[in-house]
Amino acid sequence: DTAVSQTPKYLVTQMGNDKSIKCEQNLGHDTMYWYKQDSKKFLKIMFSYNNKELIINETVPNRFSPKSPDKAHLNLHINSLELGDSAVYFCASSNRDRAHGYTFGSGTRLTVV
Amino acid sequence: AQSVTQLGSHVSVSEGALVLLRCNYSSSVPPYLFWYVQYPNQGLQLLLKYTSAATLVKGINGFEAEFKKSETSFHLTKPSAHMRDAAEYFCAVRSTGANSKLTFGKGITLSVRP
Repeated sequence: DTAVSQTPKYLVTQMGNDKSIKCEQNLGHDTMYWYKQDSKKFLKIMFSYNNKELIINETVPNRFSPKSPDKAHLNLHINSLELGDSAVYFCASSNRDRAHGYTFGSGTRLTVV
Repeated sequence: AQSVTQLGSHVSVSEGALVLLRCNYSSSVPPYLFWYVQYPNQGLQLLLKYTSAATLVKGINGFEAEFKKSETSFHLTKPSAHMRDAAEYFCAVRSTGANSKLTFGKGITLSVRP
């Protein structure tokens, strides 16, 4: 039973389109995150939600909008996709105890053409 | 702000040789440090973590890391490399505060030669 699951695994789309990535966790964690991994493998946090409340919002274009319907789900919607949005997007979850690491999903490879 | 630095981008070892992947941290408070591994086309998997208990931390797959405050380091080691260890390795630090976040180093690619 997958702990953090993301769909879709691959997403190829044209510039200007709008797309969504879904994430679900069954670990009972209260905090979920979106990370972006660029072509050089660098991982950068984008957003974090705790119990449906946005708590971290890094300098991300407002074309990116996260939505958390409940604490087990965190979706990422991207409007007007650009070539530079091509990357691997990872969802993760944890509890707020600093001693805990994050559990990551397997990633969504987004390619904008 | 807390951060980690992973010098170099690529380490190559022979199968059976010692693996040493370096990580240095910057923190004004006791850090919580983590090592993750990413196999090709997969997500990140937690290898081990330091949370101010024992300074020598053992993880999965035979890896271990030693926290050295005097050197601000948390280097990852494995006595004998296997081909299956070839992957990307990330050091990370979890910040303090109510909205703590995990910040990653830029990662190191480990190659294992037969």
